[in-house]
Amino acid sequence: GAVVSQHPSRVICKSGTSVKIECRSLDFQATTMFWYRQFPKQSLMLMATSNEGSKATYEQGVEKDKFLINHASLTLSTLTVTSAHPEDSSFYICSVPGRSGGLETQYFGPGTRLLVL
Amino acid sequence: GIQVEQSPPDLILQEGANSTLRCNFSDSVNNLQWFHQNPWGQLINLFYIPSGTKQNGRLSATTVATERYSLLYISSSQTTDSGVYFCAVVASGTYKYIFGTGTRLKVLA
Repeated sequence: GAVVSQHPSRVICKSGTSVKIECRSLDFQATTMFWYRQFPKQSLMLMATSNEGSKATYEQGVEKDKFLINHASLTLSTLTVTSAHPEDSSFYICSVPGRSGGLETQYFGPGTRLLVL
Repeated sequence: GIQVEQSPPDLILQEGANSTLRCNFSDSVNNLQWFHQNPWGQLINLFYIPSGTKQNGRLSATTVATERYSLLYISSSQTTDSGVYFCAVVASGTYKYIFGTGTRLKVLA
């Protein structure tokens, strides 16, 4: 299956700063990537779909001006949390769609833990 | 949108015990997957099972698409099975994964 990396694995920042999270598809090209958010002891919620060469598609209730997504190449998507606040503290996970055994699936990155003080 | 509910929400087992985890979904789906999220947060794909039955070692899964549920069986549980189990579905006509509410499993030595 595909290998997906995220950087950083964890970050602590002060309230009001911006944080950039990278998602890389290491062994194949991806025109689409997905960004999820997971609060403690909750499920994963899809935030947005990142599209190479075009604007991201955001889910209802997700502020596009706060969570900037840039899919600059076929192997890299970035999520920037702008003017982060404590309520943005969460686990952010990206995924890349692919195929396994002839079936569609998604390959998930290891996640990034964000703590905003 | 489609609703995905899992039960039980929490489960504590003694090592060696068997368990069944359930995933109910409210509409027809194209895809269904079971994942294990380990204590470090990494999602590990267990099964891709939009219908039918599959087995992999001590784990097996069954999806009855017409009745809108899927079951994950864990036999002879081990402490390394601890973590959170999610089912995720792709509703018909969409491409997005919708995750279930999760089952938090703890296996005691």
